[in-house]
Amino acid sequence: NAGVTQTPKFRILKIGQSMTLQCTQDMNHNYMYWYRQDPGMGLKLIYYSVGAGITDKGEVPNGYNVSRSTTEDFPLRLELAAPSQTSVYFCASSYSSGGRPQISGNTIYFGEGSWLTVV
Amino acid sequence: GQQLNQSPQSMFIQEGEDVSMNCTSSSIFNTWLWYKQDPGEGPVLLIALYKAGELTSNGRLTAQFGITRKDSFLNISASIPSDVGIYFCAGQKQGAQKLVFGQGTRLTINP
Repeated sequence: NAGVTQTPKFRILKIGQSMTLQCTQDMNHNYMYWYRQDPGMGLKLIYYSVGAGITDKGEVPNGYNVSRSTTEDFPLRLELAAPSQTSVYFCASSYSSGGRPQISGNTIYFGEGSWLTVV
Repeated sequence: GQQLNQSPQSMFIQEGEDVSMNCTSSSIFNTWLWYKQDPGEGPVLLIALYKAGELTSNGRLTAQFGITRKDSFLNISASIPSDVGIYFCAGQKQGAQKLVFGQGTRLTINP
């Protein structure tokens, strides 16, 4: 029962460095998302994907890139890390055929989060 | 960008007390969701609301979808220590999978 798995859990980056946050899900979900959560704030959507080969920008895409070469994987890339990117990052996935999120089985699944600090 | 205003930002209550929090928006949503986030973990869906005026319960939790479709509230009755965490509302527009989240309500319970 892996669900949504994201790595690493913690990372400290220097300004200007690059890194990739990995996300994989084993539920054959078509939708995948990356959110960031700043202290005392709700989650803001960075990028999302409705299926392999398709990605789209969310609310706060600047400074990030994504790719979706497979259904399972949705990596998030930071090319030139900046202190403003210090945050907790959550990957999520869901299945949609145009229907509603269901409470049973927790249809919209979140990963456990990746704590990123840029210094 | 789209925002949901969630209040209060934090609550400090005694065990056994009831809790009420709400979420408002300047625009209409077709679905309202309430999540709980425990420290070091991702959000977990508690209640989903699909119709204006709908009142839905999940154990000690009750949530309502406002008539105007611009607000929702969550009540927790007879709070227990495991209710501690951050509660988020989220809105979803018609035909969209993207969620817009509120800022969260941090609940602390004194035993």
